[in-house]
Amino acid sequence: DTGVSQDPRHKITKRGQNVTFRCDPISEHNRLYWYRQTLGQGPEFLTYFQNEAQLEKSRLLSDRFSAERPKGSFSTLEIQRTEQGDSAMYLCASRGDRGRGTEAFFGQGTRLTVV
Amino acid sequence: TQLLEQSPQFLSIQEGENLTVYCNSSSVFSSLQWYRQEPGEGPVLLVTVVTGGEVKKLKRLTFQFGDARKDSSLHITAAQPGDTGLYLCAGAVSGGSNYKLTFGKGTLLTVNP
Repeated sequence: DTGVSQDPRHKITKRGQNVTFRCDPISEHNRLYWYRQTLGQGPEFLTYFQNEAQLEKSRLLSDRFSAERPKGSFSTLEIQRTEQGDSAMYLCASRGDRGRGTEAFFGQGTRLTVV
Repeated sequence: TQLLEQSPQFLSIQEGENLTVYCNSSSVFSSLQWYRQEPGEGPVLLVTVVTGGEVKKLKRLTFQFGDARKDSSLHITAAQPGDTGLYLCAGAVSGGSNYKLTFGKGTLLTVNP
């Protein structure tokens, strides 16, 4: 296991379509995050899982967004009825349970373009 | 209001020059990370600092965590074109749940040959 893996790397979709992204974290990491990054900005927190439990969701995560992490392994992020404003880089990160050391490792991201 | 303020936002320098970028906050952090991100890629972790006053070196990069754990700096000596990228600081607020990383907007560094 060499790192966090995200699929697909790029997605172009028409407005109104649904899209789903997948994240495979580092295998021994129990914590998984989704972030969104737009041009010129740092990543913005979307949601957090500890094992299979979704413990926090940002206000950025509207009701069109849903994330799951069945069995506490891989995670999916689904966006329903996509809008042009959803165009962004969607980043997944994972980390183990290390107390104060909050080293999170990121995947390469999924670049979503809504046309 | 941005929890983590990074400065400068943009920096363009010549190869061989030194530079410092800053990450400031009014909040205390239990730890702070620096990442480097290239276009179209995810952020890559450079370093984690945990103790106030801590200094870490990574080849030509020197990272410092402020004594009060509210700020940090990244100094690059003799910059090279390969250092070009977006430098992001991220921290977990002390006393919070300690799991959520908050990012600054980043410093976009361009090193010209």
